[in-house]
Amino acid sequence: EADIYQTPRYLVIGTGKKITLECSQTMGHDKMYWYQQDPGMELHLIHYSYGVNSTEKGDLSSESTVSRIRTEHFPLTLESARPSHTSQYLCASSAIAGWETGELFFGEGSRLTVL
Amino acid sequence: AQTVTQSQPEMSVQEAETVTLSCTYDTSESDYYLFWYKQPPSRQMILVIRQEAYKQQNATENRFSVNFQKAAKSFSLKISDSQLGDAAMYFCAYTGAGSYQLTFGKGTKLSVIP
Repeated sequence: EADIYQTPRYLVIGTGKKITLECSQTMGHDKMYWYQQDPGMELHLIHYSYGVNSTEKGDLSSESTVSRIRTEHFPLTLESARPSHTSQYLCASSAIAGWETGELFFGEGSRLTVL
Repeated sequence: AQTVTQSQPEMSVQEAETVTLSCTYDTSESDYYLFWYKQPPSRQMILVIRQEAYKQQNATENRFSVNFQKAAKSFSLKISDSQLGDAAMYFCAYTGAGSYQLTFGKGTKLSVIP
């Protein structure tokens, strides 16, 4: 199994709360990604990072923010959660030559429910 | 913009039989990569198989093989000798050469009937 971990796996929280979804990988990968996945829908890239202190927004607009202070850590934060943020969030990573192998390594996901 | 279409939201197959999942894509690029990913229930998504567009030979990984039709922009996945552990969501994905972002289809939920 891939060495990429997400916590919490499940989170139910009230509107207006601040939440942070944690993602860590032990493979030394430079590239890390956050995808949002709704049931029956494709994955949408919301954030990515090519290395420390590098973060970019993906093709799906998101009110969340990310940081990349350490290579292995890529947390996602929502300052004020709303019901529209209810979704599953998948973290992934790849090596520099990831497309030569075609492999993204995914975490198990964090399923967020905002009441 | 590139798009990936999986027209079969759900499929089922009898154990030990063969099933084919469909995927079409739209791109103006000539060099790109295509992938099939598997997402078991409550488990990590993993890469099943990949295909480089410049390779004419269809990729094969054990019981998994693809039928890559570049002109038709079609990339189907064939699973032979289906096993119960093959039950999962399968996502087709695309990336252009030099890009580090994947575009995913909506997925096909595969059920395996004992």
